[in-house]
Amino acid sequence: EVQLVESGGGLVQPGGSLRLSCVTSGFTFSNYNMNWVRQAPGKGLEWVSYISYSGSTIYYPDSVKGRFTISRDNAKNSLYLQMNSLRDEDTAVYYCARESPKIYYYAMDVWGQGSTVTVSS
Amino acid sequence: DIQMTQSPSSLSASVGDRVTITCRASQSVSSYLNWYQQKPERAPKLLIHSASSLQSGVPSRFSGSGSGTDFTLSISSLQPEDFATYYCQQSYSQPRTFGGGTKVEIK
Repeated sequence: EVQLVESGGGLVQPGGSLRLSCVTSGFTFSNYNMNWVRQAPGKGLEWVSYISYSGSTIYYPDSVKGRFTISRDNAKNSLYLQMNSLRDEDTAVYYCARESPKIYYYAMDVWGQGSTVTVSS
Repeated sequence: DIQMTQSPSSLSASVGDRVTITCRASQSVSSYLNWYQQKPERAPKLLIHSASSLQSGVPSRFSGSGSGTDFTLSISSLQPEDFATYYCQQSYSQPRTFGGGTKVEIK
């Protein structure tokens, strides 16, 4: 069974840091591009980072650029999101999501259950 | 960045109704348009990829159409388990962007 399991969320003060992990199983992790997507309370979905299968290509939206760092360890089948200089507006549920191959038009076909990050003093 | 606009933002419908949700891209995304369903406190679930291809295991009452900038998601006969929020997303270019969502509620 294909699975993505996030961990590492919690309560952090503004300006603080947190590292999310996403452990995967049931597929060849090193063959897939991966994403982090977040959802603030009562809001819609916001993509926050992308990393290619090899780790050589990375993208961020302006809202997190310079503060968040996506990485992966293909030997450990794991994806990470290092979040620094956290702000109140970063409060959200963070999902890791697998990107399907081009034949399936790069849809996000598998999602984790989410990890909650709360930024508050 | 490509902006995705969904309409309506919410709708009320009854079991058995036909429901249509629209999604418009600010520029052409060809057929790189995906639809997701999200129920409260749950992760999103892929319903349709490449504008019109049903993801494995998704009931055939769901269908998608469109290309370029205008897309629709239809549910032919709404079932109780379909009450949820639906999002479109373009995968044509980075950054990947989502529509604002359409909440389908029980009338």
